[in-house]
Amino acid sequence: SAVISQKPSRDICQRGTSLTIQCQVDSQVTMMFWYRQQPGQSLTLIATANQGSEATYESGFVIDKFPISRPNLTFSTLTVSNMSPEDSSIYLCSVLGTGVTYTFGSGTRLTVV
Amino acid sequence: EDQVTQSPEALRLQEGESSSLNCSYTVSGLRGLFWYRQDPGKGPEFLFTLYSAGEEKEKERLKATLTKKESFLHITAPKPEDSATYLCAVQSGGSNYKLTFGKGTLLTVNP
Repeated sequence: SAVISQKPSRDICQRGTSLTIQCQVDSQVTMMFWYRQQPGQSLTLIATANQGSEATYESGFVIDKFPISRPNLTFSTLTVSNMSPEDSSIYLCSVLGTGVTYTFGSGTRLTVV
Repeated sequence: EDQVTQSPEALRLQEGESSSLNCSYTVSGLRGLFWYRQDPGKGPEFLFTLYSAGEEKEKERLKATLTKKESFLHITAPKPEDSATYLCAVQSGGSNYKLTFGKGTLLTVNP
């Protein structure tokens, strides 16, 4: 299965600033996804990162708040913009591999103060 | 809208004490049901995918089963290293690759 490197692993940010999270995969993959895991809540899909086109966002998530880039088949970034304490969460990158297997990165633990 | 409910929220077992975790789901056309294990500070680790009612899969002390309304993760003679949060997720026919997760079951196995 694919190996995912996600950076940073954790960060503490001031409200009103932005943080960009990177996701690097060791093989080319068609489908990449960004999830959010809030304390006590389910993993929730933010968007599907499409190579060569705009990301597809789920209900409740907008591009202005969570801009996503997907420049090639092995890399994607998620930016959390104009952060507030409510954005404190774990953000996870995921890819769809062979055999309908979804692999996840180790996550970015974000704290907004 | 797809829904997944996991129970119990937390389970504490003694080493060797077998038990089961439940995942109830509501989807419009199940394409797959997934079980993951998540350790603190790490991303979910894939365990199983089940596709149709009656299917069963095993891996070491874990066995996953599927019916039309729920899935069970049976843990036989657990060890302390089995302690983790176990997540269930579904992919429906109209989901376009989206996984819908439950909140998970936190399993603690005491030596």
